[in-house]
Amino acid sequence: DTGVSQNPRHKITKRGQNVTFRCDPISEHNRLYWYRQTLGQGPEFLTYFQNEAQLEKSRLLSDRFSAERPKGSFSTLEIQRTEQGDSAMYLCASSFVMAGVQETQYFGPGTRLLVL
Amino acid sequence: GQQVMQIPQYQHVQEGEDFTTYCNSSTTLSNIQWYKQRPGGHPVFLIQLVKSGEVKKQKRLTFQFGEAKKNSSLHITATQTTDVGTYFCAGARGADGLTFGKGTHLIIQP
Repeated sequence: DTGVSQNPRHKITKRGQNVTFRCDPISEHNRLYWYRQTLGQGPEFLTYFQNEAQLEKSRLLSDRFSAERPKGSFSTLEIQRTEQGDSAMYLCASSFVMAGVQETQYFGPGTRLLVL
Repeated sequence: GQQVMQIPQYQHVQEGEDFTTYCNSSTTLSNIQWYKQRPGGHPVFLIQLVKSGEVKKQKRLTFQFGEAKKNSSLHITATQTTDVGTYFCAGARGADGLTFGKGTHLIIQP
């Protein structure tokens, strides 16, 4: 058990619907990351937060995607107007960073999204 | 952008044989991390290498970081069925998001 939790674990939705995922990181970690993983591929970086500030967004994160971490604790990832190409495993990870030195990123179990 | 290549994509070995996966980055890395993912599971951290030329061992696993900090390898001695899974390397250029390779799927035949 890595301590990072994600909800829901599975989500099936119809194309065009909006979905929201939640990630609860390890409590003392100040960094929170979102990744997307499709079958047979490695995780692809989407975005990350340092406390409540969103510091970097990948070009993979289209304007239909939005992530928040309002109080520097849990985070949500919302996908609007879902498309079949959004079907993937969405992984959250957290770590502690001090003085620009990163410790291990611990991954949650992921949310598997299927868009019909 | 930064790219991380990993070979081979698949590796079939007989139980007891050795296994090696190689990772190469297009840019110099501040550190490299290795993860293992079982089928249906999520990536689980194995190790982080930071120093040029660093070698670390964990029981039957040996990890190396190249002198130029652009390549790395994972070697497993005398594989066991519990070693089955996908091994990913992930490169970091600082304290930002990781760039993962596509992974090496290790299949072990008893």
